[in-house]
Amino acid sequence: NSKVIQTPRYLVKGQGQKAKMRCIPEKGHPVVFWYQQNKNNEFKFLINFQNQEVLQQIDMTEKRFSAECPSNSPCSLEIQSSEAGDSALYLCASSLDNNERLFFGHGTKLSVL
Amino acid sequence: SQLAEENSWALSVHEGESVTVNCSYKTSITALQWYRQKSGKGPAQLILIRSNEREKRNGRLRATLDTSSQSSSLSITATRCEDTAVYFCATDTNTGYQNFYFGKGTSLTVIP
Repeated sequence: NSKVIQTPRYLVKGQGQKAKMRCIPEKGHPVVFWYQQNKNNEFKFLINFQNQEVLQQIDMTEKRFSAECPSNSPCSLEIQSSEAGDSALYLCASSLDNNERLFFGHGTKLSVL
Repeated sequence: SQLAEENSWALSVHEGESVTVNCSYKTSITALQWYRQKSGKGPAQLILIRSNEREKRNGRLRATLDTSSQSSSLSITATRCEDTAVYFCATDTNTGYQNFYFGKGTSLTVIP
């Protein structure tokens, strides 16, 4: 069973609405990743953190997407104005180190109608 | 373009048979990982093989890595129905950026 907890499991939003999902990484893991997985199983890296600091993020996330990993609170990924193309499975993963095993949550399946 | 890619979209085998999934990648790496994703769940890591290793085993699983041809394989022996899943290879990048690139996955179906 995954020890990375993602909520909610399913999220349905209308176009233009805000969508927010949360992730509690595995205890003791300082590195957190967010990936978007589309219906064709393709992964797109969005952003990663180490101890609340952003390590890397793609250009897309700098516009409508925002994410944070505050200390003592769940990490979150927020889409300010959802678009149909944002419909996907959003996966959070945590790791002990940047280049080690990723532990994934079950994901949040976002449907933008 | 994909930096890591499995070579088959889908495979099916009968329970008890062996199967191999192949992966090719395009960058210099420090390690390659194999993940399995079952329906409705997040990926789970199976094996991590580093660039200085040629083979790694984990129970019924065996991964190989050939850095000269930039390819890897994952073999599963004595397959079981519960091995039915999508299998992904994932590579890091030896560029200082802390990221992992996943292939599109190979869907494996084990027929009872």
